[in-house]
Amino acid sequence: GAGVSQTPSNKVTEKGKYVELRCDPISGHTALYWYRQSLGQGPEFLIYFQGTGAADDSGLPNDRFFAVRPEGSVSTLKIQRTERGDSAVYLCASSPTGYDEQYFGPGTRLTVT
Amino acid sequence: AQRVTQPEKLLSVFKGAPVELKCNYSYSGSPELFWYVQYSRQRLQLLLRHISRESIKGFTADLNKGETSFHLKKPFAQEEDSAMYYCALSGFEGAQKLVFGQGTRLTINP
Repeated sequence: GAGVSQTPSNKVTEKGKYVELRCDPISGHTALYWYRQSLGQGPEFLIYFQGTGAADDSGLPNDRFFAVRPEGSVSTLKIQRTERGDSAVYLCASSPTGYDEQYFGPGTRLTVT
Repeated sequence: AQRVTQPEKLLSVFKGAPVELKCNYSYSGSPELFWYVQYSRQRLQLLLRHISRESIKGFTADLNKGETSFHLKKPFAQEEDSAMYYCALSGFEGAQKLVFGQGTRLTINP
């Protein structure tokens, strides 16, 4: 079946702009995760959804970052007033229940100029 | 605090030689440990997890709680093993958000 998909694959934006990154999880997976991977580093946890609710948002770096999952499927990561330090690959993962293997998407490469 | 350390950013071995990728962790409870792999132009995928005790693609990893290590080993490296390898941990207390190490790039020379 189809894996986790993320759009866009690449996003270039100017400092100060607003961006939205989309994640389509595997159908039926209740758990959805966002990670951020900076150059030369491993992925860093941002937020975890169980169904429609954010069960753990402890990894969001500040209030410019926000994520939603209104119908318990697709999720959108929103970044306001982007800064050059936000440049990274944003990864989405889903798992059947939250206690299973996480399946990763291909990522969105965000570049803030 | 949860932390995963992979001391080698780069590791290069010859085909047929043994491979060991090091991973050390710090965690106050009982963690679950994983190895993830990313082949060139592919997405991150699970290689193995310590609770399953499986050998995947000839790789094994043993959790050593005394040394807080979870090193990945393979007795005879193959060229297709060249990839980026990440060690990760999660806690049993909650849902499995993952804490990753910085990764080791493994290159197998012919």
